[in-house]
Amino acid sequence: AQSVTQLDSHVSVSEGTPVLLRCNYSSSYSPSLFWYVQHPNKGLQLLLKYTSAATLVKGINGFEAEFKKSETSFHLTKPSAHMSDAAEYFCVVSALNRDDKIIFGKGTRLHILP
Amino acid sequence: GAGVSQSPSNKVTEKGKDVELRCDPISGHTALYWYRQSLGQGLEFLIYFQGNSAPDKSGLPSDRFSAERTGGSVSTLTIQRTQQEDSAVYLCASSWRPSTGELFFGEGSRLTVL
Repeated sequence: AQSVTQLDSHVSVSEGTPVLLRCNYSSSYSPSLFWYVQHPNKGLQLLLKYTSAATLVKGINGFEAEFKKSETSFHLTKPSAHMSDAAEYFCVVSALNRDDKIIFGKGTRLHILP
Repeated sequence: GAGVSQSPSNKVTEKGKDVELRCDPISGHTALYWYRQSLGQGLEFLIYFQGNSAPDKSGLPSDRFSAERTGGSVSTLTIQRTQQEDSAVYLCASSWRPSTGELFFGEGSRLTVL
């Protein structure tokens, strides 16, 4: 079974400062991990994914995430926030090729302050 | 079509009525997922179809909810005797199999039960 916990429901940062969105997971199998982004009144879009290759994964719009097995974490970061980054972010875990059930976290809403 | 199509985009119904929500996945995608997104609740897994296998219904919240997928393509989610707590955005997503884990989402069907 898999589960995912996003530690913050809301995060506020000033434009130009770093972003950190935290995610912890549990999985009975080697997990695949993803981050999705949902802009206001828009559909969900894949931001990046980890599927057992390099532990540091780069995604779109300057975001990246690092898979840390010892900490069961997959935190999302960006060096410098932009106003357009304001959105809701979902951490996702799946044990692909097992049951293929893809489990979403509750989401973190990112606010960018001018 | 180019993307996942859902209809209706908005549905307002009276408590106790039945509703049907339709999802037309991307052509060639064998996996289809239904999720529910309620305010402040993240994405709740409802049901998963994969090819001709028996669907994973473990996320359906009650026996008022059912879904089918005809011909391995279009899916219909049916909610019988709707309740106010069923109000939410119902999201459909599809992907290839073996699953890459990347889901392609529709715009969702917003259901409001009065």
